[in-house]
Amino acid sequence: SAVISQKPSRDICQRGTSLTIQCQVDSQVTMMFWYRQQPGQSLTLIATANQGSEATYESGFVIDKFPISRPNLTFSTLTVSNMSPEDSSIYLCSVGRGLSGLYNEQFFGPGTRLTVL
Amino acid sequence: GENVEQHPSTLSVQEGDSAVIKCTYSDSASNYFPWYKQELGKGPQLIIDIRSNVGEKKDQRIAVTLNKTAKHFSLHITETQPEDSAVYFCAVKRNASGGTSYGKLTFGQGTILTVHP
Repeated sequence: SAVISQKPSRDICQRGTSLTIQCQVDSQVTMMFWYRQQPGQSLTLIATANQGSEATYESGFVIDKFPISRPNLTFSTLTVSNMSPEDSSIYLCSVGRGLSGLYNEQFFGPGTRLTVL
Repeated sequence: GENVEQHPSTLSVQEGDSAVIKCTYSDSASNYFPWYKQELGKGPQLIIDIRSNVGEKKDQRIAVTLNKTAKHFSLHITETQPEDSAVYFCAVKRNASGGTSYGKLTFGQGTILTVHP
């Protein structure tokens, strides 16, 4: 499986500010995803990060609040904009296996633990 | 959309006992069923998965069974050890249109497994 790293691992931020989370993979992958995991809850897909084009957002998530970049096949960023305490969550980067669209497996990074005061 | 129900929400066993976690899903077209283990402070780790053309899969002490007719699948852990203590998530996916595998993963609510020494 791919080795996925995220920066920062955790942060405490003031409301109204923005935070950019980085995701780096040790091999080229076609599919990259961003998930949110609210405290004690399950995982919810925010968006699929598409290389060379705009991200595909799930219902309830919008680009103005969660802008995503995907400049190449090993890197993506998620920005949480104009934060409020409700944005306090773990944000997880996930990748699909390899460059082919044929594989099912998804692997997760260690997560970024965000607290908004 | 897909609905995934996971039970129980918490499970407490003695070391050496077996643990079983069950998930039901609603979309009969779903064809990929992974299980993830999430330890405290870490991202989810893929531990086993099964595809719709298989009824059972084993990997050492863990196994997954799938009943497509009843639309449910289960995780079985035998000879549990304290290091099996974690949150376990089931997930469901059906292939995206166009024949690729990257449809959306929908997660269950999670099961907190505690193995007492």
